[in-house]
Amino acid sequence: NAGVTQTPKFRVLKTGQSMTLLCAQDMNHEYMYWYRQDPGMGLRLIHYSVGEGTTAKGEVPDGYNVSRLKKQNFLLGLESAAPSQTSVYFCASRAVEGLNQPQHFGDGTRLSIL
Amino acid sequence: DQQVKQNSPSLSVQEGRISILNCDYTNSMFDYFLWYKKYPAEGPTFLISISSIKDKNEDGRFTVFLNKSAKHLSLHIVPSQPGDSAVYFCAATGFQKLVFGTGTRLLVSP
Repeated sequence: NAGVTQTPKFRVLKTGQSMTLLCAQDMNHEYMYWYRQDPGMGLRLIHYSVGEGTTAKGEVPDGYNVSRLKKQNFLLGLESAAPSQTSVYFCASRAVEGLNQPQHFGDGTRLSIL
Repeated sequence: DQQVKQNSPSLSVQEGRISILNCDYTNSMFDYFLWYKKYPAEGPTFLISISSIKDKNEDGRFTVFLNKSAKHLSLHIVPSQPGDSAVYFCAATGFQKLVFGTGTRLLVSP
């Protein structure tokens, strides 16, 4: 029962480097989300997807890109990392069926930009 | 503009007592509210929810109350247990997205 799996769990980058965070879910969920969590700020939505091949901007999308080429995967890319992107990143997914299904979260990726 | 607010960053309670975590929101269009619990180094896990058409929902030791006129909800944990020590996030839904509060760290001491 893997649920939502995020890789990697930790990463340190230098300013200007690029990287991709991978989120995979095995629950056949339509909706997927990327959040960042910063001290004192809760979780803020970066981008989300309502189905394979779709993406949409959330609250804090600048500096990030996403892709949903396969239903089970949602990728978050940083093209040119900045220290302000140091954060813990969480991926989540949820089913469409039924009203207000809760989101299921991965265990996070802790990213440090030096 | 913080649409969902948790004004208490932390709360300490003794084991066996009631824990009350509070949450306020500003957007009257929110139609569903959820509480998530988060342990260190783990993702948030869903705890309990309530629809805007109800004023109370109960699940075991956890009860959520909603006061729409005051735009306020609260989570009651009775009795509190040391394993309940975690960060609790209030969240509200609108248009396929969740808006989270900043969290309250609950510490339940034996």
